[in-house]
Amino acid sequence: GQNIDQPTEMTATEGAIVQINCTYQTSGFNGLFWYQQHAGEAPTFLSYNVLDGLEEKGRFSSFLSRSKGYSYLLLKELQMKDSASYLCAVRMDSNYQLIWGAGTKLIIKP
Amino acid sequence: DVKVTQSSRYLVKRTGEKVFLECVQDMDHENMFWYRQDPGLGLRLIYFSYDVKMKEKGDIPEGYSVSREKKERFSLILESASTNQTSMYLCASRGTGGNQPQHFGDGTRLSIL
Repeated sequence: GQNIDQPTEMTATEGAIVQINCTYQTSGFNGLFWYQQHAGEAPTFLSYNVLDGLEEKGRFSSFLSRSKGYSYLLLKELQMKDSASYLCAVRMDSNYQLIWGAGTKLIIKP
Repeated sequence: DVKVTQSSRYLVKRTGEKVFLECVQDMDHENMFWYRQDPGLGLRLIYFSYDVKMKEKGDIPEGYSVSREKKERFSLILESASTNQTSMYLCASRGTGGNQPQHFGDGTRLSIL
């Protein structure tokens, strides 16, 4: 079966750095997406990785290791507005579907 | 910016009713999706469509059907609503190309009493 694991909840301090991990076991792989979802709102796209390595976008970076079935989202200079759930999703081969993790709820404390 | 609009933010219906959830996108996307989201679970795909009048079952299609008569509109139908269909329903659309993300509507929080 297909499986994606993320920690359920994490807590971090405003101004700090936090790393949210995602591990996956899927029968195919054709890219990994990270989304942010504030409570009661729609998920919004953050990043996409298909090759190994780090992709940086401002305060957010995402890393992928295909051989390890592992990705992380790195958030720097945390702000209170970063309090949200972060969803990891894998696109498998030759179809339009994404397999979704349950999400990591990130709580930022002053 | 891509705009995906769902017809209702909140909806309350009764057991046994036929329920229609509507979704419209304005970016001429071929691909559209219906998910439900429940606490502690990932997004679960109900149905998706990759073209007008085309539909494919997702992971949990039982009790649901869909309609895509026009490219911009994708409707989810609960044939006979049951209490276990109380959930947040999210619609998404996506263009072609492997790196294209899905763009989501604001969701419909549906309660079946």
